[in-house]
Amino acid sequence: DIQMTQSPSSVSASVGDRVTITCRASQGISNWLAWYQQKAGKAPNLLIYSASNFQSGVPSRFSGSGSGTDFTLTINSLQPEDFATYYCQQANSFPLTFGGGTKVEI
Amino acid sequence: EVQLVESGGGLVQAGGSLRLSCVASGFTFSSYVMSWVRQAPGKGLEWVSSIIGGGGTAYYADSVKGRFTISRDNSKNTLYLLMNSLRAEDTAIYYCAKDRVETIMYFFDSWGQGTLVTVSS
Repeated sequence: DIQMTQSPSSVSASVGDRVTITCRASQGISNWLAWYQQKAGKAPNLLIYSASNFQSGVPSRFSGSGSGTDFTLTINSLQPEDFATYYCQQANSFPLTFGGGTKVEI
Repeated sequence: EVQLVESGGGLVQAGGSLRLSCVASGFTFSSYVMSWVRQAPGKGLEWVSSIIGGGGTAYYADSVKGRFTISRDNSKNTLYLLMNSLRAEDTAIYYCAKDRVETIMYFFDSWGQGTLVTVSS
């Protein structure tokens, strides 16, 4: 199984900050990676797919990069509505696996 | 507008069974891979199972293999998850999720609101 390791597990930030979340795969997954945002009590929301492609409707302050084993989600100019938990997910092979999550909090 | 509505969750004793349903609308259901993803209380996301559009091929997490069965009825736009031999560790919110594109990617662009399954020991 491919293990997805996210860091940090939580980050404290302020409105306007830039936040970077990393996700490392235990083996190469090319660009088969997605990022999701989940707010408390809600279902996850797809932000980025194929490592760097924006899902429709996602604000441009979100960006994704990486390939192989190391990936990054960057949030530029953090907004109040961005305080949430973020997950990476690999789709390279079964079983599909998620990272442990990164909680972005004030 | 894509809508996914789960139902069938509830409280069940360990060893019992439950069948979850997910009714889909707003897209050509039969063309898309559908999946179940769960989230234990206060924990992260865990993929459970996926089934291709025609229903002929399914995949399972090791933690549920042999106990859970995913299926779909494309005439009813409905996805199912039959859960047998339930364990306390199966307690979670279960989400159904739609693949992003008809050409299979296994990225989930639409999710239901979730249905809570509680297994008492």
